[in-house]
Amino acid sequence: NAGVTQTPKFRVLKTGQSMTLLCAQDMNHEYMYWYRQDPGMGLRLIHYSVGEGTTAKGEVPDGYNVSRLKKQNFLLGLESAAPSQTSVYFCASSFPSGGAKTDTQYFGPGTRLTVL
Amino acid sequence: DAKTTQPTSMDCAEGRAANLPCNHSTISGNEYVYWYRQIHSQGPQYIIHGLKNNETNEMASLIITEDRKSSTLILPHATLRDTAVYYCIVRVQYGGSQGNLIFGKGTKLSVKP
Repeated sequence: NAGVTQTPKFRVLKTGQSMTLLCAQDMNHEYMYWYRQDPGMGLRLIHYSVGEGTTAKGEVPDGYNVSRLKKQNFLLGLESAAPSQTSVYFCASSFPSGGAKTDTQYFGPGTRLTVL
Repeated sequence: DAKTTQPTSMDCAEGRAANLPCNHSTISGNEYVYWYRQIHSQGPQYIIHGLKNNETNEMASLIITEDRKSSTLILPHATLRDTAVYYCIVRVQYGGSQGNLIFGKGTKLSVKP
């Protein structure tokens, strides 16, 4: 299993440009998450999804949109990039807790985005 | 979710046990203690979690005090590859927004030869 993968690994944008970050998981997880991490800071939740076709806002959703058209994929979009969105973006996935399962989150390797 | 307090940094000699403390004095009865680590430039990695009993897996041991107000993550034989930032997170165990992992600044563990 590849686990959680993210595409691309690096990207440089100019202010105002748009882009989409792709997260894919092959663990059949119901839940998926997008976090951002700024230098010297912990991770902050942007958006999350509890199942195919559903999304919800996290702690810092402004300037981002997401879509979960397929269970294994979670897309993060920046419609008009700003320098404040320069960050490292991490995707994670988990099962919902219940029974013997925990909702331990498994993370991808990250996408390093710079907005000039 | 309860707030946690961890030392900013710690050193450990290679081959020795690394004991990382975490205070969570406001933890409530249905909150679990989770530990993750982040090796430089990589995504966070799950280590272990527990509710009130001590737990052990192939990576580490988790010791939770009887009053649950603090815990210690133990890496029994630290190697240079264990150098990372270690995050102690307290949360109710379910997914969705309530399952959001709230990362603080963690403890920077440096394992030295």
